[in-house]
This record gives sequence, structure tokens and C-alpha cells, in this order.
Amino acid sequence: DAGVIQSPRHEVTEMGQEVTLRCKPISGHNSLFWYRQTMMRGLELLIYFNNNVPIDDSGMPEDRFSAKMPNASFSTLKIQPSEPRDSAVYFCASVVAGSTDTQYFGPGTRLTVL
Amino acid sequence: AQSVTQLDSHVSVSEGTPVLLRCNYSSSYSPSLFWYVQHPNKGLQLLLKYTSAATLVKGINGFEAEFKKSETSFHLTKPSAHMSDAAEYFCVVSYYGGSQGNLIFGKGTKLSVKP
Repeated sequence: DAGVIQSPRHEVTEMGQEVTLRCKPISGHNSLFWYRQTMMRGLELLIYFNNNVPIDDSGMPEDRFSAKMPNASFSTLKIQPSEPRDSAVYFCASVVAGSTDTQYFGPGTRLTVL
Repeated sequence: AQSVTQLDSHVSVSEGTPVLLRCNYSSSYSPSLFWYVQHPNKGLQLLLKYTSAATLVKGINGFEAEFKKSETSFHLTKPSAHMSDAAEYFCVVSYYGGSQGNLIFGKGTKLSVKP
């Protein structure tokens, strides 16, 4: 299995630009999670989906952030407009919903907003 | 509220000596507990997990952890550190098996291994 796939691995953009991060979960996994990791705040859950439906988006910092999961094999996290304080590593993770298994993490996208 | 506390932000050991990374959790329910490792510029990798089976859990790369309910602890140990163990380690607690978005992460412990 290829594991959770994220793209791009690195993104550098200027303040005000739109940023789209992409995630492909492990085949057969129907829960998908987006996390953000910063030095100051550690790992934070932003949003998660079960069966492509957003279940809890209370961690999304503000309206500039949005996430979609149009099908079982693809999700996006969009920031529009981006700000320097959005600079962080964004992780995607997946698991079989309702299982006692752990979440499997992707390699992350390192976002730098100048 | 549920929480997890990693007692040391940084641990430094010499190669070949034992490793102890400490983790305590607050519990209203029976938790599932995990340790993840993150090498520099890499994603998180599962080391081991406890889900109410045996209290001593063995993981990858020689790591193990013991669930002690009376102490609400889940410390990570390894008998002999290797240079490749240098990384950041996260203790994680979940009260529903990790599949419902409620993984709670500790702040992490950075492990340094000296030659």
C-alpha cells in the first residue's frame, strides 16, 4: 500500500495568494483528518470527514480555511487568502471509521507564506 | 477534559543507554493510547498502541510501553538507544479508538542520542 499521499510536499507562496493542499487517503479508509503542526501550538486537528462528509470542523481557524472531500480517494484543504501565520506543516491522516485502529499519517505539506 | 502530558520536552541519552519518555493522561473513560515518532522533516509513524489488551505493549524498533491505570501513565522505554532513535516522540490518547477525530496529542518529547 502506498500509504497516505499528500501534495505538494513543500509550498512557498506570498501573502494573499490562494493555497490548495491535497490528500489521497489509504484505499479502504473512510475517515480522513487534516491536522496542522506549529512550534507554538503543536499538532491541532482542523477538520475530519467520515464517508466524505465533514463531521467536525471546529478546529478550522477561520473562514479563510475550507476543506472538501468530493470522493473517497481525494480531499483538499484550501486557504484563501493566505497569511504568514498560516505557515506550518499540514498533515492528512486516514483510518477505517469505527475501528479501533490508529490513524495513518501522510508525510505532510510544509507551507511557508511570505 | 481529557488531556495528555509529556513530562519532558527534551531528553538526551548516550548511545547504548536506556531511554525513558514519560507520558501521563487524564481519564474519564478507558482510553486507547499511542506513541508516534516523527523524524526530522517526516510524517508521524506509529510506534505502538494500547487498546485495553495486555498492559505491556511492544512496538517497532525495540520500543515498549506499559499502561498503568493506577498512575494514569503510559511511559515509553527502550533498553538501548541507537543513533537512529533521535527524533520527536508524541504520546497520544483517544477515547474512541482514534477513529472519531478525537486524538489528543501531547506536546512532544525531543530525544537526542549522543555517540
